[in-house]
Amino acid sequence: GQNIDQPTEMTATEGAIVQINCTYQTSGFNGLFWYQQHAGEAPTFLSYNVLDGLEEKGRFSSFLSRSKGYSYLLLKELQMKDSASYLCAVVDSNYQLIWGAGTKLIIKP
Amino acid sequence: EADIYQTPRYLVIGTGKKITLECSQTMGHDKMYWYQQDPGMELHLIHYSYGVNSTEKGDLSSESTVSRIRTEHFPLTLESARPSHTSQYLCASSESRDTGELFFGEGSRLTVL
Repeated sequence: GQNIDQPTEMTATEGAIVQINCTYQTSGFNGLFWYQQHAGEAPTFLSYNVLDGLEEKGRFSSFLSRSKGYSYLLLKELQMKDSASYLCAVVDSNYQLIWGAGTKLIIKP
Repeated sequence: EADIYQTPRYLVIGTGKKITLECSQTMGHDKMYWYQQDPGMELHLIHYSYGVNSTEKGDLSSESTVSRIRTEHFPLTLESARPSHTSQYLCASSESRDTGELFFGEGSRLTVL
């Protein structure tokens, strides 16, 4: 079967750096998305990786290793508003999105 | 600001009622989706569409139907609501048929008593 694994919950301190990992086992690979979802709201797009390496976008960076079936989302200079769930999703060989359950990130002052 | 809208945002109904959740987007996107999401859980695909007159079943499609008569409109219908249908329903669209970014509506939170 297809599987996306993310930690259920992480806690970090305001101003610090946090890395959220995602490992996947899917039938084929056509890209990986990271979305942010605040409680009670809809997911919003953060990043898309299809080639190995690091993509940087402001305070957020996303890394992909296709050979290891692994990605991470790196959040720098954490702010209280970054408290949210972070969803990893992989596009499989049929171009269907396979979603992880998300990582709830709690930011403490 | 997203250009994809869902109504109603909140709905409380009794068991056995027929309901339709509306979704409209003004971006001209061909591909549209319906997802169901319980708190703290992953998104489950209910139905999707590649364009007008195209509808496909997802993982949770058996108790609902969709239609795609116009590009911008993709309603979801539950013929007979049950308490197990209580959940958040998210509509989304994407420009690309294959790997494009999804734009989500704000969701419809359904409670079936």
